Amino acid sequence: KQEVTQIPAALSVPEGENLVLNCSFTDSAIYNLQWFRQDPGKGLTSLLLIQSSQREQTSGRLNASLDKSSGRSTLYIAASQPGDSATYLCAASNTGKLIFGQGTTLQVKP
Amino acid sequence: NAGVTQTPKFQVLKTGQSMTLQCAQDMNHNSMYWYRQDPGMGLRLIYYSASEGTTDKGEVPNGYNVSRLNKREFSLRLESAAPSQTSVYFCASSEKTGWLSNQPQHFGDGTRLSIL
Repeated sequence: KQEVTQIPAALSVPEGENLVLNCSFTDSAIYNLQWFRQDPGKGLTSLLLIQSSQREQTSGRLNASLDKSSGRSTLYIAASQPGDSATYLCAASNTGKLIFGQGTTLQVKP
Repeated sequence: NAGVTQTPKFQVLKTGQSMTLQCAQDMNHNSMYWYRQDPGMGLRLIYYSASEGTTDKGEVPNGYNVSRLNKREFSLRLESAAPSQTSVYFCASSEKTGWLSNQPQHFGDGTRLSIL
């Protein structure tokens, strides 16, 4: 059974810092790994999707990597801004169904 | 650009009451999903519909039923609500599911349900 873990549960950084969010999964037979952002009281917004054959994906200041052999994915945020404050969730897709981690709540202080 | 629309946004029920949560998507997606989100538990899949006319159980289906009314709409029904079903419910859709599903899921803003 796939299990997805995100550590730490919460992170606070000063504005301008580069940071890395971690995601680990137990079953490497995934179709893809997705990163989402959730703002308070809102639904999830898809940030990046890495297919199982890919090593990384980039969108603006965001870069996500995937290492299936070690069961790990990271989300790198460059030059963090207060507007990046949110909860970030990763989800592994096995058989098309997403298994979510519990998320990392990020606070970027001005 | 409505995307995924969920109604209602908030609801309070008494134990034993029934209710249907509505979800509609306007992206012509084939697959739709219902999740619940609880503190400390993350999002868990309740039911999903890979395509119109099909539904399958997810991780936590007990106490729920679903209907894929047409390609656009996927409803979730609580027949006899219990306090343990107090949660935030999210509907999502994607173009496809399974090994072809290398497209992201799109989420609605959720229904916040309290059962007293």
